[in-house]
Parts: sequence; structure tokens; C-alpha cells
Amino acid sequence: GNSVTQMEGPVTLSEEAFLTINCTYTATGYPSLFWYVQYPGEGLQLLLKATKADDKGSNKGFEATYRKETTSFHLEKGSVQVSDSAVYFCALSAQGGSEKLVFGKGTKLTVNP
Amino acid sequence: DAMVIQNPRYQVTQFGKPVTLSCSQTLNHNVMYWYQQKSSQAPKLLFHYYDKDFNNEADTPDNFQSRRPNTSFCFLDIRSPGLGDAAMYLCATRVSASGVSYNEQFFGPGTRLTVL
Repeated sequence: GNSVTQMEGPVTLSEEAFLTINCTYTATGYPSLFWYVQYPGEGLQLLLKATKADDKGSNKGFEATYRKETTSFHLEKGSVQVSDSAVYFCALSAQGGSEKLVFGKGTKLTVNP
Repeated sequence: DAMVIQNPRYQVTQFGKPVTLSCSQTLNHNVMYWYQQKSSQAPKLLFHYYDKDFNNEADTPDNFQSRRPNTSFCFLDIRSPGLGDAAMYLCATRVSASGVSYNEQFFGPGTRLTVL
């Protein structure tokens, strides 16, 4: 079946540090890939997405590239801010049917000033 | 702004007392989802509506029911809440139409349910 494995946290960084959160997936066909962010006490917000191989999703300084050869979609940001502190979920949506989201377990990021 | 709205944001109920959570959307999306998210876990899909068609996940307990009276509204009914049902409940929407399918889901802010 489809699955997502992401780097377990928690991750603690200082402001302006470089961020990488690893995400790999297992799926048949060509899934779409997503990063969602959840701030404390809130719902999930779509951070970025990629729908085909070699696509790069980007938003708010975050980037992730859909790598089919390594089945990965790692999240990166060059310089994190305190306001980036949140839980980050990698997810995939397989084509066809209801296109349910399959989530990774989430990675909690804390950025200290 | 078009959005997904969940009411209430916080709900307290007693063990065994039925409770209803609501979700409304102004996005005019035809697919709506209900997720349960327990502390420090990923959201778990309970069921979804594709238009009026209800789709239950195989492992969703019978204690959980849902209604979708129209495109804009969807309700989650918990018939006899147990302590293990305390969680954040998330509603999400997606648009899927003939020849067009955008597979990103848009989430509401969630309702945090406490069971006493």
C-alpha cells in the first residue's frame, strides 16, 4: 500500500539555521506530494505541493523537489525564523478514486531566537 | 475569503453523551472529509463524501456517523463518546469534477473535543 516515512523529530534549530526534513514515500503510479504545516492548536495548512517528477514546490522560503528516482520529497528552508515553529507533515495523494491523503507521522520543529 | 469553517472550536461533552461537530465551506467543493487527530499523531481519515456519496473507512468505529445535508455543510456525530474519542477533529474539502481533479485538500481549523 501507499505510505510516507518522514524524519522523526523533534527538531530544534536556532534562528537563521538551514532546515531539512526528510520525506520518502512508497506508492504505485505517480502520486502527488504535499507538505502541510500545523501551528499549535490549528488545522493543517498546505505549505507546498508537487504533482509530477522533478517538480519543485515552493512557498514562504520553503522548497521541496519531487524525486521519483529516490522516491523523496525533502523539505528545505535556507534560513528559518521563530515563526516557522510548527509541526510539518509530508503527505501523498494517489491518483484515482477518492485521492485520499496518506500522511507521515509529522515532524515538530522548534526555532529558538 | 473562501474558507472551511468548523464550529465550535472547542467542545466539551460527557462520557456517553451524543455530540455533533459541524463543518461548513464557502469553497463549493464537492468532496468533504472528516479526520481524527490525536495528540502528536498524524490525522486519521474517518470518512468522506464524494458529492452525496458517503465513504466510510474500514476501521472507523460505528460510534461515528456523518451527515451532509447540502454541498456546504457536513456534520460529524459521535453517538456515545468515550474517553478515547478525545481528539482534534478536522474537516477538509477538495474539488473534483469531470475532467478536472485538484488533489490538494483544504482544512478547517479543527474542533478540539474533550470527553469528561
